[in-house]
Amino acid sequence: QKEVEQNSGPLSVPEGAIASLNCTYSDRGSQSFFWYRQYSGKSPELIMSIYSNGDKEDGRFTAQLNKASQYVSLLIRDSQPSDSATYLCAVNGAMASYDKVIFGPGTSLSVIP
Amino acid sequence: DVKVTQSSRYLVKRTGEKVFLECVQDMDHENMFWYRQDPGLGLRLIYFSYDVKMKEKGDIPEGYSVSREKKERFSLILESASTNQTSMYLCASTSGGGPWETQYFGPGTRLLVL
Repeated sequence: QKEVEQNSGPLSVPEGAIASLNCTYSDRGSQSFFWYRQYSGKSPELIMSIYSNGDKEDGRFTAQLNKASQYVSLLIRDSQPSDSATYLCAVNGAMASYDKVIFGPGTSLSVIP
Repeated sequence: DVKVTQSSRYLVKRTGEKVFLECVQDMDHENMFWYRQDPGLGLRLIYFSYDVKMKEKGDIPEGYSVSREKKERFSLILESASTNQTSMYLCASTSGGGPWETQYFGPGTRLLVL
């Protein structure tokens, strides 16, 4: 079983819709959860981090964490064509040291104008 | 502003050559990482360093070595390049403050081994 799993996509949504990206992880003791966005040909950049169960909102982005289900998601409201990118879920495991994280394979999102 | 730079954006090397990839960060970060990114496989950790002259193997260290002689600089070395090392290589750094720290990435080096 892979440690961090994501649907590879591509996920296509129309402009203005809600995009829902999902991630599951295997290490039950994981503490920190991150969503990175990576545009084609560019390097990843952090858009959200979450550490406690529940929702965390930042503008059009909402991260949701359910530790009991080992599940973290990212919702993008009012999706824009500029949101088209690959979204990487990253998890800092319970036994991780030195800020190591494990990345999922990423979900490719395409927002159709 | 946070900045991680990598020595080259694109490199073409021949099988058997020794290849050096350099990464420099200007944020006084403690930890530095080298990843490779391949389609369908995501980001995989090759090596990381948590202090000058200190290093630890990541998930795929075979065929690679690293060097960290100064805090701001972390080098990845391919001792004898092979075609299966053709990939995008990404360097990252974190401040070392704990498991909630953001990884700051460099622009990447796309390496082609012929």
